Amino acid sequence: DAKTTQPTSMDCAEGRAANLPCNHSTISGNEYVYWYRQIHSQGPQYIIHGLKNNETNEMASLIITEDRKSSTLILPHATLRDTAVYYCIVRANSGAGSYQLTFGKGTKLSVIP
Amino acid sequence: NAGVMQNPRHLVRRRGQEARLRCSPMKGHSHVYWYRQLPEEGLKFMVYLQKENIIDESGMPKERFSAEFPKEGPSILRIQQVVRGDSAAYFCASSPPGQGWGGTQYFGPGTRLLVL
Repeated sequence: DAKTTQPTSMDCAEGRAANLPCNHSTISGNEYVYWYRQIHSQGPQYIIHGLKNNETNEMASLIITEDRKSSTLILPHATLRDTAVYYCIVRANSGAGSYQLTFGKGTKLSVIP
Repeated sequence: NAGVMQNPRHLVRRRGQEARLRCSPMKGHSHVYWYRQLPEEGLKFMVYLQKENIIDESGMPKERFSAEFPKEGPSILRIQQVVRGDSAAYFCASSPPGQGWGGTQYFGPGTRLLVL
C-alpha cells in the first residue's frame, strides 16, 4: 500500500468546516483512498472512500486531486463529537494483502467550542 | 442491525494465564479481521479469517497467539501464557462476503486486555 502523510494535529472551531489533508504521492492506479476515524477508546469507524472522483455521504466529503497524489476529507459542520484521530489509508481492492488496513499515526482533530 | 460485537470489553489476566477474546461479526458478514493497538500507537493487522479458514496470519506473533472462526459461533483470538507486553486493545472487524479483498471493514468496540 502507498504511504500516506498527514499532519499530526489540527484544531477546528465548532460549526466550521474541518478540512483534513492527506498526501499519498506514490499511490498506484488501482489503489483507493479510505478514511477512518477513531474516537477515544472506541473502535475505528469508516467514513468514506474514493478512487478518483470526489465523493460525498452523510458524514463527509472526499476531494481527490486530479493527479490523485493528495486528498482532503471535509467535515462540513464540525461538532464536538467529531473530535477524534482521523486516518487516511490507501489500499488496493484486489490482490494479496489488500484486505489489510494499515493505520499510520493519523491526524488528531480537536473541535473547539 | 447489530454491529460487530466483542466480549469481554475488559479482561484482566495474570502473567502465564490464557486470554480468550471473542468477536461476533455483523449479520451476514463472513470475513473477520483482528487488529491490535498498543498504547499510544496505531492499529496493527494481525489475522484475516473466513469461516473455518485462516486466510492470512502474517501479523500474528509466531508463538502463543492463535485465531479461529468456526462454522458456528464467534471468532476467537486466543493468547496463551500472557505476558505484560500483550496488554493492548484488540479490535475485531468484519466485512460482507465478496468484499474481503477491498470492502469496508466495520469495527467492534474492542477488548482491553491488561496483564498484571
